Amino acid sequence: AQKITQTQPGMFVQEKEAVTLDCTYDTSDQSYGLFWYKQPSSGEMIFLIYQGSYDEQNATEGRYSLNFQKARKSANLVISASQLGDSAMYFCAMREWNYGQNFVFGPGTRLSVLP
Amino acid sequence: DTGVSQDPRHKITKRGQNVTFRCDPISEHNRLYWYRQTLGQGPEFLTYFQNEAQLEKSRLLSDRFSAERPKGSFSTLEIQRTEQGDSAMYLCASSLGLAGGFTDTQYFGPGTRLTVL
Repeated sequence: AQKITQTQPGMFVQEKEAVTLDCTYDTSDQSYGLFWYKQPSSGEMIFLIYQGSYDEQNATEGRYSLNFQKARKSANLVISASQLGDSAMYFCAMREWNYGQNFVFGPGTRLSVLP
Repeated sequence: DTGVSQDPRHKITKRGQNVTFRCDPISEHNRLYWYRQTLGQGPEFLTYFQNEAQLEKSRLLSDRFSAERPKGSFSTLEIQRTEQGDSAMYLCASSLGLAGGFTDTQYFGPGTRLTVL
């Protein structure tokens, strides 16, 4: 079974609007971390935001926020006030405390911001 | 520039040749990771180092692949007898390690794109 599922292969959003990118995960671990990365066409993976499994508050970093629903095992990324430079691939990743230090990545969502 | 750097950025080779990639992590980071990313997919974990010790290897890392981090600083990833299926982006990442706690965010380099003809 997929550990990380991103059901939206591609998304379009109008500039200045908000957009939500979905991520669901599968783990039996109680301790885990969820990360979102952005990968522009240049290829470099850029860290955006982190949410720990014990964090009670949803994480926020500037225009990025994470809608964490632990019971539903979802960690959706919300980008407010989209900009043209937000067009990129977005990956959700998880690290499980009992399964080593590596990340497991989802298949990604390609976001296109329209002018 | 104090980020993760990788060299070369692009490598084209013929099937059967050996290739070696280098990664220089962020200087204070103890952990270094290698991932492979094929077109349209998310990165897949290959291996990671805590200082100079290689602590974890994925089943994806066949015996044609070897990684080293001899002095706990830069790392090399070598692929022997390359095959067309090795064509991919090879990403390196580094993190603080234990000092980073559970968040221990990984910061990625720009990758090395390998094409095997």
